[in-house]
Amino acid sequence: QVQLVQSGSELKKPGASVKVSCKASGYTFSSYGITWVRQAPGQGLEWMGWINTNTGNPTYAQGFTGRFVFSLDTSVSTAYLQINSLKAEDTAVYYCARGWQWPFDYWGQGTLVTVSS
Amino acid sequence: EIVLTQSPGTLSLSPGERATLSCRASQSVTSNYLAWYQQKPGQAPRLLIYGASSRATGIPDRFSGSGSGTDFTLTISRLEPEDFAVYYCQQYGSSPRTFGQGTKVEIK
Repeated sequence: QVQLVQSGSELKKPGASVKVSCKASGYTFSSYGITWVRQAPGQGLEWMGWINTNTGNPTYAQGFTGRFVFSLDTSVSTAYLQINSLKAEDTAVYYCARGWQWPFDYWGQGTLVTVSS
Repeated sequence: EIVLTQSPGTLSLSPGERATLSCRASQSVTSNYLAWYQQKPGQAPRLLIYGASSRATGIPDRFSGSGSGTDFTLTISRLEPEDFAVYYCQQYGSSPRTFGQGTKVEIK
């Protein structure tokens, strides 16, 4: 069965970096893009962008350029989200989801990133 | 960017009642590529409806979607206890992909 399993919660200090992983299984990894979605505490869903799992080409939504980096390790069917120079307002749950062109049909369980001094 | 506006913000209903949720787009959604998701506290969103009216795999038939162009509706014919949650619409017809702000369906 299709699964996206994300890495565990992170507590980071402002200015640090964090790397969240999203391991896919149960389907051909290169057949679907991976989308990243942010959900700040008590807020709605925000599309961050996606990465093409064939070419590795990332596309970032406005507001997620510069400090946010999407990457892949296709040998282990895993996508990564790295956030650099963390700020308090980056505190959120980050989800990966399967798809880009079509609706997001499978989601990871989410990773809580807390930024606090 | 297509802005999706959901209404109402909160819907207070009793089990067994009918729920009608609205999603209005700031411009026409290409090919009616509009999806609905359900999210329960502490859980990831779950895809309910895609293409405005097609149910995703395993979704009960009490959930239905309708609409086209800029106006879309999610209907839950008879609310079950497990249906009380937050619902989001999302368009995937143009970039950037966008979500509505959500409608909370709560127990009255």
